[in-house]
Amino acid sequence: EDQVTQSPEALRLQEGESSSLNCSYTVSGLRGLFWYRQDPGKGPEFLFTLYSAGEEKEKERLKATLTKKESFLHITAPKPEDSATYLCAVLGNYGQNFVFGPGTRLSVLP
Amino acid sequence: EPEVTQTPSHQVTQMGQEVILRCVPISNHLYFYWYRQILGQKVEFLVSFYNNEISEKSEIFDDQFSVERPDGSNFTLKIRSTKLEDSAMYFCASSLARGAGQPQHFGDGTRLSIL
Repeated sequence: EDQVTQSPEALRLQEGESSSLNCSYTVSGLRGLFWYRQDPGKGPEFLFTLYSAGEEKEKERLKATLTKKESFLHITAPKPEDSATYLCAVLGNYGQNFVFGPGTRLSVLP
Repeated sequence: EPEVTQTPSHQVTQMGQEVILRCVPISNHLYFYWYRQILGQKVEFLVSFYNNEISEKSEIFDDQFSVERPDGSNFTLKIRSTKLEDSAMYFCASSLARGAGQPQHFGDGTRLSIL
């Protein structure tokens, strides 16, 4: 059974204080690892797809990296508007459904 | 940018009643999904739909649930006889394709409250 865990559960940063969020996964053959941002009362908003170990993707202050067992979302010099829950999901070789992790709730204080 | 739209944003229903949640996926997408998120818990897969039939469903998606694509644009989730534990956010998603890990794009959800 595909599984995803995320750490930390919650993270409070000062504006400008860089950090990383972790997503650990076990999957029967990885077809894709996905990062989403979710604001309160909203649906998940797609950020990145990673397909293979060693791959990196960047978007503004966010950079996602992937190894064979985990992915990191690095946040450089965050701003208050980066405050959200960040979700990680995997798609394995069997089935079409995403398996989501519980998310990391990020708060960036001004 | 094209987006997935869901209606209503909030639905309040008495236990035992039927509800229909509606979604308009992104127009050129071929795969459609429903997920739910109970307050404070993970996003959970319910069902995927392709070519006018269910392609995969989870254990949650039992006989009280059904999906339909009644026309070329709408995708609906029906819950036949609602229970208190059906209270959750229900998200519709769509993707262009299935292979090679295509991202799924989500709507903002319907908050379903069962009284």
